[in-house]
Formats: sequence, structure tokens, C-alpha cells
Amino acid sequence: AQSVAQPEDQVNVAEGNPLTVKCTYSVSGNPYLFWYVQYPNRGLQFLLKYITGDNLVKGSYGFEAEFNKSQTSFHLKKPSALVSDSALYFCAVRERLNTGFQKLVFGTGTRLLVSP
Amino acid sequence: DAGVTQSPTHLIKTRGQHVTLRCSPISGHKSVSWYQQVLGQGPQFIFQYYEKEERGRGNFPDRFSARQFPNYSSELNVNALLLGDSALYLCASSLLEPTTGRGDDTGELFFGEGSRLTVL
Repeated sequence: AQSVAQPEDQVNVAEGNPLTVKCTYSVSGNPYLFWYVQYPNRGLQFLLKYITGDNLVKGSYGFEAEFNKSQTSFHLKKPSALVSDSALYFCAVRERLNTGFQKLVFGTGTRLLVSP
Repeated sequence: DAGVTQSPTHLIKTRGQHVTLRCSPISGHKSVSWYQQVLGQGPQFIFQYYEKEERGRGNFPDRFSARQFPNYSSELNVNALLLGDSALYLCASSLLEPTTGRGDDTGELFFGEGSRLTVL
């Protein structure tokens, strides 16, 4: 089974500083990796995905993620954090079902708190 | 264009009752999935439906059931509610279709705002 791990329950960063939210994965075959963000009392919003190609993936709201095969990691990054980035971030990996369809397997989430 | 819409947004039930949650996918999306997000955890896969048929089921008891209608909207039903069923139930739609072996569909899921169920 595919899985992802988010080792940090919470990440604190000051506004304007770079941020990193960590994710490691365990998959058989090539990983299809995703980042989603969840604001309070809201659903999940797609940020970016890695399928193949460049190891640096650019996404929404200035976020990017670096795929590292040797370290089995897919860390989410942003050069300059905003207070409005404060939210819950989920890493996810695609797992194929035996019907040919797919589901997402999510990590436990990392709460990002950006202070003014 | 409207995104994925879910109803109701909040509801309170007591143990043993039944609940029906509804979801309308993005126009043109034929695949609908349901996820359960318990407080403090990541979403867990419950069901996937495509063209009105169940295409995948997560590790949930038979008290959980779902269906998809000809207009691709979907319902999630939970019978004999338990306290542990309290959660945010998320519906997601996508353009995902069965892979044919000739290519690979890697589209992302588009989530609704969720239905927050509290079981007392």
C-alpha cells in the first residue's frame, strides 16, 4: 500500500521568511504526489502535483515542491511566507484501485502558523 | 463555474439514527469520491463512483453506503450512527476515468466544503 508521512504536526514561521512543510512517501512504482491546503471550516484546495519530469514543481499561491527520489521526499516550500498562508497542509499519494480507478492516501496533516 | 457543492453543511444526529449527505460534482465530471476526515486526521477514502457504479470502497463498515445518479450527483448514507462517525465528510469530483493502459490519467480531485456531522 502507498503511504505518506508528515513528521511535523505544526510548523511556525515568521512572515517574510521561507517555509518548508515536510512529506516523505513510501510507494511501489513511480509516485504520483499531491499537496492540498485546508483553511478553517473549508474543504481541501489543490496546490500542486508531481507526476513526472522536473523535480521542482510550481503550484498555486507561490508554493512549490521538490521531489527527491533518493530521499523519498516531497517537501512543500515557499520563498516568503504570508500570514494568510496559515492553514492545514496535507500531502497525498495516488493509489490505484483494482478497478482501474484511483484514490488518494493522505498524510496526517501539518498545521502552518505564520506570525506577523 | 460552480465547484463541488455539498449539503447539508452541518448537522447533528443522535446515536442509532441515519444520515444522508448529498454532493453535486463540477459540471462535466463523471467521477465522485467520498472521504471521511476525523478531527486531527487526514481524509480517509470511503467510496468512488463512476457512471453510477461503485468503483472503489475503503475500509468502512457496511453501515456506509452510497450511490450516484444519472446526473452524476451522489449521496452518502450512514446507518446506525455511532459517536465515532462524527467527522467532516468530503465529496470530491474529478475527470478521472479508468486507465486504459495507453496513457495515465493523473487529474487532481476537486473537493467540496464538506458536511460536518456531529453524533451525540
